[in-house]
Amino acid sequence: SQTIHQWPATLVQPVGSPLSLECTVEGTSNPNLYWYRQAAGRGLQLLFYSVGIGQISSEVPQNLSASRPQDRQFILSSKKLLLSDSGFYLCAWSGTVSSKGGGHNSNQPQHFGDGTRLSIL
Amino acid sequence: EDKVVQSPLSLVVHEGDTVTLNCSYEVTNFRSLLWYKQEKKAPTFLFMLTSSGIEKKSGRLSSILDKKELFSILNITATQTGDSAVYLCAVVYTNAGKSTFGDGTTLTVKP
Repeated sequence: SQTIHQWPATLVQPVGSPLSLECTVEGTSNPNLYWYRQAAGRGLQLLFYSVGIGQISSEVPQNLSASRPQDRQFILSSKKLLLSDSGFYLCAWSGTVSSKGGGHNSNQPQHFGDGTRLSIL
Repeated sequence: EDKVVQSPLSLVVHEGDTVTLNCSYEVTNFRSLLWYKQEKKAPTFLFMLTSSGIEKKSGRLSSILDKKELFSILNITATQTGDSAVYLCAVVYTNAGKSTFGDGTTLTVKP
């Protein structure tokens, strides 16, 4: 069965420090991968998604970046954290099927990691 | 701009009550609508709806989609305290699975 691991669970960082959050998926290959941020009492805001190794799409301008060095590894990073980067970060994966003309069709449910609660001081 | 609106924002009921949660959307290139339950950490998948009028059912939970009126409802019958959670609605609008989420409905079930 497929599993998704996300760590750390909580993190407290000073303003201006770097960040690296890691997410790995097991039991599937070539998944679509996503990073979300959830503000208190709000829904999920999509930050980045990836349809393959080295392929990253950014959804909103921000202080963060993402990388996918391996098929089932997705990393969220920042060189210098801002106070506004505080929040609950969720990684997710979804399965894919090949579509005509190439690409990865993923009209399938997303499955989420347990999240990282990031506090910036 | 794509948007997903859930109502009510919060709801308090007693065990045994039936609740209906609403999700309306304005999304170009609609592909599917999904419901998730979020307790403390990871949202867990409940239903995926792609066709109008076909009810999806799992135990005491059921959901249906109306693609003409652009909304979905999630029903929970005979509620239990374990149903207390935030219920999220999301609409997928691209082949890559990009989704827009609503802000959720916080359901509290009292004994």
